Amino acid sequence: EADIYQTPRYLVIGTGKKITLECSQTMGHDKMYWYQQDPGMELHLIHYSYGVNSTEKGDLSSESTVSRIRTEHFPLTLESARPSHTSQYLCASSELGAHEQYFGPGTRLTVT
Amino acid sequence: TQLLEQSPQFLSIQEGENLTVYCNSSSVFSSLQWYRQEPGEGPVLLVTVVTGGEVKKLKRLTFQFGDARKDSSLHITAAQPGDTGLYLCAGVSDSNYQLIWGAGTKLIIKP
Repeated sequence: EADIYQTPRYLVIGTGKKITLECSQTMGHDKMYWYQQDPGMELHLIHYSYGVNSTEKGDLSSESTVSRIRTEHFPLTLESARPSHTSQYLCASSELGAHEQYFGPGTRLTVT
Repeated sequence: TQLLEQSPQFLSIQEGENLTVYCNSSSVFSSLQWYRQEPGEGPVLLVTVVTGGEVKKLKRLTFQFGDARKDSSLHITAAQPGDTGLYLCAGVSDSNYQLIWGAGTKLIIKP
């Protein structure tokens, strides 16, 4: 079973608030990813990282930012949340050179 | 833009029936993965197929990769309520090695 954790699992916040979604993995994987998932739509990659101090934007434009200071930790921050940010956010990791990804349980974000 | 189309989008059948879901593209993939996602959880990898024509079996689930590596199918024999979930396919692009995701097939197996 994959050891990748996300907190919080559910979050309801008001517009304009700053939030950080946490993601940690204990598998020692170099690559980590953040996806946005909406019902009936494919997973959209918003950020990824190849390792410590590496961060890249994915193919979906996002107002969020990420950091990778430690291998196991890949937090995602929204400086000013808006209702359009309401979605399911999934964190994943994989070994360098492999494409199989291991997912956390997700954070369901609702911005009111 | 590479696309992976999954069909059907939604399928609801009775326990014990057989079913097949599809993952199609006009692009070639170096490999393709199938995941199952249950409500409130992240996707879990079921299988990776790599070679054109490859068939892999996982208990009652049979996965096939098309000969041209552009499509894949998942066949479930004697479906059970525990098979309920969102089935996602994801292909590794042959051109840039990025992972391309399908939108999924939502499967409900009624007891």
